[in-house]
Amino acid sequence: GAVVSQHPSWVICKSGTSVKIECRSLDFQATTMFWYRQFPKQSLMLMATSNEGSKATYEQGVEKDKFLINHASLTLSTLTVTSAHPEDSSFYICSASPAQGASYEQYFGPGTRLTVT
Amino acid sequence: AQSVTQPDIHITVSEGASLELRCNYSYGATPYLFWYVQSPGQGLQLLLKYFSGDTLVQGIKGFEAEFKRSQSSFNLRKPSVHWSDAAEYFCAVLGDYKLSFGAGTTVTVRA
Repeated sequence: GAVVSQHPSWVICKSGTSVKIECRSLDFQATTMFWYRQFPKQSLMLMATSNEGSKATYEQGVEKDKFLINHASLTLSTLTVTSAHPEDSSFYICSASPAQGASYEQYFGPGTRLTVT
Repeated sequence: AQSVTQPDIHITVSEGASLELRCNYSYGATPYLFWYVQSPGQGLQLLLKYFSGDTLVQGIKGFEAEFKRSQSSFNLRKPSVHWSDAAEYFCAVLGDYKLSFGAGTTVTVRA
């Protein structure tokens, strides 16, 4: 149980284009979802937290207009990287929690590798 | 703000040997601590967690961790490593309603 999927698993896009990453909770309702960014050989950095039906809360230093997060249903959250640039290339990981704000109970997706050329 | 340090970037261990991964945290209050494992193509999987109580915590896959408040540590151990334990391991602390992760330790298992 508690499976989280991400799609796509990897994506290559051209600089200036936008790309959308989906995060789905397959067997539970995700009241809260988290988006992380992971650079090679570095830890996961929280980008934003979203509750279903509400606007996402972004961490300091994360551009909300660049990284659009939508949590429209209890099983789906999307991260859209707008006007992507090579420096946005990274590994993006989502996690989901069945309880609102329950950071202590997160189930992680397998991640999406984004390469911007 | 909370932080986690994993001093070892990479550890190589022989199959069947014991493994210990170090984790030091910084947090003002009683910490909630976690160990996750990340295998290629898979999401982070929770190995174990410590919230309170017994300072020796048992987890899945034969892992255990010991919380030592005096040393601000939460080291992960496994008595006998299997080849399938080769992965990236992350220690994390919960603070301000969010998880903060260490940089991770890569474990290589040699035959």
